[in-house]
Amino acid sequence: AQSVTQLDSQVPVFEEAPVELRCNYSSSVSVYLFWYVQYPNQGLQLLLKYLSGSTLVKGINGFEAEFNKSQTSFHLRKPSVHISDTAEYFCAVSWEAAGNKLTFGGGTRVLVKP
Amino acid sequence: EAGVAQSPRYKIIEKRQSVAFWCNPISGHATLYWYQQILGQGPKLLIQFQNNGVVDDSQLPKDRFSAERLKGVDSTLKIQPAKLEDSAVYLCASSQAGTGGINEQYFGPGTRLTVT
Repeated sequence: AQSVTQLDSQVPVFEEAPVELRCNYSSSVSVYLFWYVQYPNQGLQLLLKYLSGSTLVKGINGFEAEFNKSQTSFHLRKPSVHISDTAEYFCAVSWEAAGNKLTFGGGTRVLVKP
Repeated sequence: EAGVAQSPRYKIIEKRQSVAFWCNPISGHATLYWYQQILGQGPKLLIQFQNNGVVDDSQLPKDRFSAERLKGVDSTLKIQPAKLEDSAVYLCASSQAGTGGINEQYFGPGTRLTVT
């Protein structure tokens, strides 16, 4: 079965510092890649997505991610975080061969400290 | 544009009781999804509807879970009887026509179920 791994379950970071959240998946054949954010007691909100084209994808709230086919990774980055970025972040992959269903990673909780 | 609506937001029941969740997708969205999100884990797809037909229910525990989407709009997810391990947040999502993952899924706020 296809899988998505988020290597860090929690990432503490100081305000205005950069952050990188790592995501790896099991196969790079015909994939679509997503990052979602979940604020407390809310549903998931799409941050960005890679469907095709440029491997560097820019999303909302200053986030960006890079698709690396050879390393089967899709790491999320932000150069300077704000307190409001405190949330849980989920990487999700859709494999064309699996009917394009979303498979989520386990999530990374980002805690931004003042 | 109104988002995906879910109710109730919170529910506490005892094991062996039954419970039902309701979802109203974004108007015009043909595809509807139910996910289970256990604390500390990512969402797991339970069932996917295209209009009022089931596309995928391979991960739905059919001995206790059931879902329907009459008329291809609203959907209900039922658990009967509930077990302790069913404690989770149940998320509903919808997307435009087609079952492709490239169609962005919009998520509701979820229903937090606690089984005691």
